[in-house]
Amino acid sequence: GDSVTQMEGPVTLSEEAFLTINCTYTATGYPSLFWYVQYPGEGLQLLLKATKADDKGSNKGFEATYRKETTSFHLEKGSVQVSDSAVYFCALSSGNNRLAFGKGNQVVVIP
Amino acid sequence: DTAVSQTPKYLVTQMGNDKSIKCEQNLGHDTMYWYKQDSKKFLKIMFSYNNKELIINETVPNRFSPKSPDKAHLNLHINSLELGDSAVYFCASSQDGRSEAFFGQGTRLTVV
Repeated sequence: GDSVTQMEGPVTLSEEAFLTINCTYTATGYPSLFWYVQYPGEGLQLLLKATKADDKGSNKGFEATYRKETTSFHLEKGSVQVSDSAVYFCALSSGNNRLAFGKGNQVVVIP
Repeated sequence: DTAVSQTPKYLVTQMGNDKSIKCEQNLGHDTMYWYKQDSKKFLKIMFSYNNKELIINETVPNRFSPKSPDKAHLNLHINSLELGDSAVYFCASSQDGRSEAFFGQGTRLTVV
């Protein structure tokens, strides 16, 4: 079945540092890929998406590129702010009425 | 104007009670979901509905019964609540079974 793997453990970094969160997936066919963000006490918000190979999703300074050859969708941001502290989830959908999520990564940005 | 709204936001109840969580979406979407988020933030799909029809029931105990009176609503009823049911429950909707999902704010259920 479909599955998403995110790198283990929280990510702690200083303000203005470069952020990368790795995401790889296993899916049948050609899934759509997503990154969601969850701020404390809130629901999940769509951060960006890509629906086909080589597409780049971007929003609020975050980017991720759909790499079919490496089955990856890594999230990057060039200069993080304290307000980016949140939990980030990679997800995919193969059109089977379900969104499969990775385990999430807690990102803590220190001033 | 909230796109996906669920009530209540917090629910504290005793073991053995029955409770319901309501969800409504005003996006005109065909697909609605219930997800459970545990204390480690892991998200697991429970149910998926398309146009009021159950599509996915992900090995959820029979004590959990979803009901979709119309495609804008998907409620979750839980019988005989157990300690292990404590979690945050999220309702979500998507235009179809492949597009991005929009999530409600969550219901934090605490069973004591």
